[in-house]
Amino acid sequence: DVKVTQSSRYLVKRTGEKVFLECVQDMDHENMFWYRQDPGLGLRLIYFSYDVKMKEKGDIPEGYSVSREKKERFSLILESASTNQTSMYLCASSPIGQGPAYEQYFGPGTRLTVT
Amino acid sequence: DQQVKQNSPSLSVQEGRISILNCDYTNSMFDYFLWYKKYPAEGPTFLISISSIKDKNEDGRFTVFLNKSAKHLSLHIVPSQPGDSAVYFCAASGLTQGGSEKLVFGKGTKLTVNP
Repeated sequence: DVKVTQSSRYLVKRTGEKVFLECVQDMDHENMFWYRQDPGLGLRLIYFSYDVKMKEKGDIPEGYSVSREKKERFSLILESASTNQTSMYLCASSPIGQGPAYEQYFGPGTRLTVT
Repeated sequence: DQQVKQNSPSLSVQEGRISILNCDYTNSMFDYFLWYKKYPAEGPTFLISISSIKDKNEDGRFTVFLNKSAKHLSLHIVPSQPGDSAVYFCAASGLTQGGSEKLVFGKGTKLTVNP
């Protein structure tokens, strides 16, 4: 069973704080993704990584950065948290060229509130 | 520009009846389509997928139909059960500007199955 874990289920931070969201997967997947989910907006891709130290911007990268130093770990960084970054953050991973193509496995999510 | 559209934000169905969730897309280059199911406070889980070379894929109570000419796909759940109550996301596989593959998600449809 693929397991994607996220460091926190719930997080409350203050405006201007630097926030780290951690994601770890245990299936040796090459691809890892960060999304945010907002009511009425669905899942929107923030950043993704297809290899260690490689990253690519998604649809809404502004205000975020990422780090992937090891294959199993992908971090999302909010450099200076703002209230409009209050959201559910979802991490996902997927293999390259195996099984049902492009199937992504999601973590349980981190509900971040910025006050 | 919303490339994957789920025009019904919600759907209510009686237990035992058929649930039909619809999804439209605009990008003819999408070659793979997936449905994800999401319960509150959990990450999305993969449900069923279909390649663009097929027009139907069935897995137990779940069937996905693809009409390429209309750029439309639908998920049928028969018979519907109360445990199917969740938000369903349609997703399509496409290429980013950097040439990497990513999923593009719709905004989701909240299905409620009434006992």
